[in-house]
Amino acid sequence: RKEVEQDPGPFNVPEGATVAFNCTYSNSASQSFFWYRQDCRKEPKLLMSVYSSGNEDGRFTAQLNRASQYISLLIRDSKLSDSATYLCVVNNGGNQFYFGTGTSLTVIP
Amino acid sequence: NAGVTQTPKFQVLKTGQSMTLQCAQDMNHEYMSWYRQDPGMGLRLIHYSVGAGITDQGEVPNGYNVSRSTTEDFPLRLLSAAPSQTSVYFCASSYRRYSSPLHFGNGTRLTVT
Repeated sequence: RKEVEQDPGPFNVPEGATVAFNCTYSNSASQSFFWYRQDCRKEPKLLMSVYSSGNEDGRFTAQLNRASQYISLLIRDSKLSDSATYLCVVNNGGNQFYFGTGTSLTVIP
Repeated sequence: NAGVTQTPKFQVLKTGQSMTLQCAQDMNHEYMSWYRQDPGMGLRLIHYSVGAGITDQGEVPNGYNVSRSTTEDFPLRLLSAAPSQTSVYFCASSYRRYSSPLHFGNGTRLTVT
């Protein structure tokens, strides 16, 4: 079983829409959680860390559900510039980070 | 502040050739790592280091060597390139292992013919 799984999408949404992605992880001992954004042919860039109580950064909200072992990312009022692949990253407290394969988002004018 | 610097950006090798991908960070990060990214497979860990003089294998280490003689540098060596090593390679560093997020270099696109 993969450490981290994401729905690959693609998600095609109109500008202004709200879209949510989920990511499940297999190791209940996982301790750190992150969302990254990756543009085509570029390096992944940190979007936000995910904290136990949930956290928000502008139009982006991240939540952690330890009981069901998933994290989520909510994007409100989608912009064309939000088009990218979103990667879920998990660390179980050791020396390895585990990446999902990414969810592709296209925001349509 | 340069962050994580990778060179070269592009490289074409013939099967059997060797080369070194360079990675340097100026953030005094203790943790450094190398990943490869292939379509549909996500990022996979090749090797990592938790400090100078300490390295360990990740998920896909075969065909690659690393060393960490200084905190700043973490080169990745391809010993005898194979077409299966055609990929995009990313170096990433972190301040404190699992609790801190990874910072990525801008990648090296390697083609082995």
